[in-house]
Amino acid sequence: AQSVSQHNHHVILSEAASLELGCNYSYGGTVNLFWYVQYPGQHLQLLLKYFSGDPLVKGIKGFEAEFIKSKFSFNLRKPSVQWSDTAEYFCAVKAGGYQKVTFGTGTKLQVIP
Amino acid sequence: KAGVTQTPRYLIKTRGQQVTLSCSPISGHRSVSWYQQTPGQGLQFLFEYFSETQRNKGNFPGRFSGRQFSNSRSEMNVSTLELGDSALYLCASSLARTGGNTGELFFGEGSRLTVL
Repeated sequence: AQSVSQHNHHVILSEAASLELGCNYSYGGTVNLFWYVQYPGQHLQLLLKYFSGDPLVKGIKGFEAEFIKSKFSFNLRKPSVQWSDTAEYFCAVKAGGYQKVTFGTGTKLQVIP
Repeated sequence: KAGVTQTPRYLIKTRGQQVTLSCSPISGHRSVSWYQQTPGQGLQFLFEYFSETQRNKGNFPGRFSGRQFSNSRSEMNVSTLELGDSALYLCASSLARTGGNTGELFFGEGSRLTVL
């Protein structure tokens, strides 16, 4: 069964600092990968996705993620965070066919002005 | 296009009662998934429905059940509520096809259940 690990549970950064959130998954086959974000008081929404092709994918609000197949990783990055990036971030993976979407436990990011 | 709508948004129940939560997916989306979100546990998969058929089921006890109607709307039911069932229940729809779906989910705002 597929599983997802997010190593950082709570991250505190100052504005303009760089961000990298780790995500590793366990599944030997082809997967689709996602990062979702949940801003305070809002519903979960898609930040970016990887299906195939260029392993460096760009999402909304300046976020990007890199798929490294050999490391089973899909880390999320942003060069300079803003206070408005304060949210909880979830990594998710889906194998092919009828497999469910499996989420990590989430990382709470707090950006200090 | 309207998003995923979940009702009720908040509810309080006592142990032993049952609860039914409703989800209306985005128009044209035939797949509906349900997740339980609790602090520290992330999103735990409950089940997925596609064209009125349960296509996937998570590791929850039989007290948790669901169904999907011909218009793709879905309901989930929890019977004999326990304190540990207190959580945010999220519904997500997706543009699935018969052979599966990409996994891109569109979430509702959730139904926050408190069990006293």
